[in-house]
Amino acid sequence: SQTIHQWPATLVQPVGSPLSLECTVEGTSNPNLYWYRQAAGRGLQLLFYSVGIGQISSEVPQNLSASRPQDRQFILSSKKLLLSDSGFYLCAWSPNPPGAGYNEQFFGPGTRLTVL
Amino acid sequence: QQQVKQSPQSLIVQKGGIPIINCAYENTAFDYFPWYQQFPGKGPALLIAIRPDVSEKKEGRFTISFNKSAKQFSLHIMDSQPGDSATYFCAASIRGYGGSQGNLIFGKGTKLSVKP
Repeated sequence: SQTIHQWPATLVQPVGSPLSLECTVEGTSNPNLYWYRQAAGRGLQLLFYSVGIGQISSEVPQNLSASRPQDRQFILSSKKLLLSDSGFYLCAWSPNPPGAGYNEQFFGPGTRLTVL
Repeated sequence: QQQVKQSPQSLIVQKGGIPIINCAYENTAFDYFPWYQQFPGKGPALLIAIRPDVSEKKEGRFTISFNKSAKQFSLHIMDSQPGDSATYFCAASIRGYGGSQGNLIFGKGTKLSVKP
């Protein structure tokens, strides 16, 4: 069966510091990967998605970037964190790329980021 | 036209009651409608999904009703329990559209509280 991991689970960082969040998927090949952000008590905001190694699509211009160095690894980064980057970051995977088949997405456990 | 409008924002019911969460959409090309359940501090979990060729789908105590002409779909939770207390998100997506148009569009969520 497929499993999605995220780490770290929680992170407290000062403003201006760098960020690296990691997501890995087990039990499947060629997953389509997504990064979402969820502000406290709010909905899900799609940040990036990737349909393959090195292929990144950005949905929202912002202080963050994403990379996919390996088939089942997705990384969210920032060079300098802002207060507004605080939130709950979720990684998800789907067996189908956007628009091809039904877009079933399966979420990881999330990373709680607090920027002080 | 890409929005999914979810209501109510919050809902309180007594144990055994039947909470109903509603979602409405404008884009008639949507053809996949999942519901996600999210407990505090956890990632959303795919609960149940429906396609527009059926009007109702049941899985255990959870039922999706779909009204294609009204462009609405709703989640009903039969015999609700305190353990059902969570935030519920509806979503929609389209097959056949690549890129960002094929991504899941989420509602803003409904916080359900089931009182003992």
